[in-house]
Amino acid sequence: KQEVTQIPAALSVPEGENLVLNCSFTDSAIYNLQWFRQDPGKGLTSLLLIQSSQREQTSGRLNASLDKSSGRSTLYIAASQPGDSATYLCAVSSGYALNFGKGTSLLVTP
Amino acid sequence: EAGVTQSPTHLIKTRGQQATLRCSPISGHTSVYWYQQALGLGLQFLLWYDEGEERNRGNFPPRFSGRQFPNYSSELNVNALELEDSALYLCASSLQVQGNYEQYFGPGTRLTVT
Repeated sequence: KQEVTQIPAALSVPEGENLVLNCSFTDSAIYNLQWFRQDPGKGLTSLLLIQSSQREQTSGRLNASLDKSSGRSTLYIAASQPGDSATYLCAVSSGYALNFGKGTSLLVTP
Repeated sequence: EAGVTQSPTHLIKTRGQQATLRCSPISGHTSVYWYQQALGLGLQFLLWYDEGEERNRGNFPPRFSGRQFPNYSSELNVNALELEDSALYLCASSLQVQGNYEQYFGPGTRLTVT
């Protein structure tokens, strides 16, 4: 059974800092890995999708990497802003169901 | 292009009643997934429908059921509601193209069971 772990569970940083969120998974037989953002009480916004054959993806200030062999992914956020405050979820795909971590709650203070 | 839509936004039911939640996928997507996000438990996979058929289900009792209609929209039914069914229910849709299973999520339905 795929287990997805995210560290840290919560993070508070001052505006402007670069930061890294970590995700690890136990079964390397994945189709892809997605990073999502969730605002309180809301649905999920897809940030980045990395296919199993890829090593990284970039979108604006976000960069996600994938190391399938070690079962790890990182989400790098450059020059953080208060608007980045949200919960960030990592999810790995087995081809249908997504297995989610419990998320990292990020607070960026002005 | 319209995203995934869900209705209603909020639903309040009494224990023992039935709840029906609805989801419309992105146009062209044939797969619909349902997830439950209960407080403290994280997001759990509930059901997957594709081309009108239930393809897989997560570790949930049979009182969680649903269907997918010919237009690919979907309904989730929860019978004999229990207090612990209170959660945010998220629907997602995707294409079913080999190697591309990116899922797009709707805004969710907040179910409260009293």
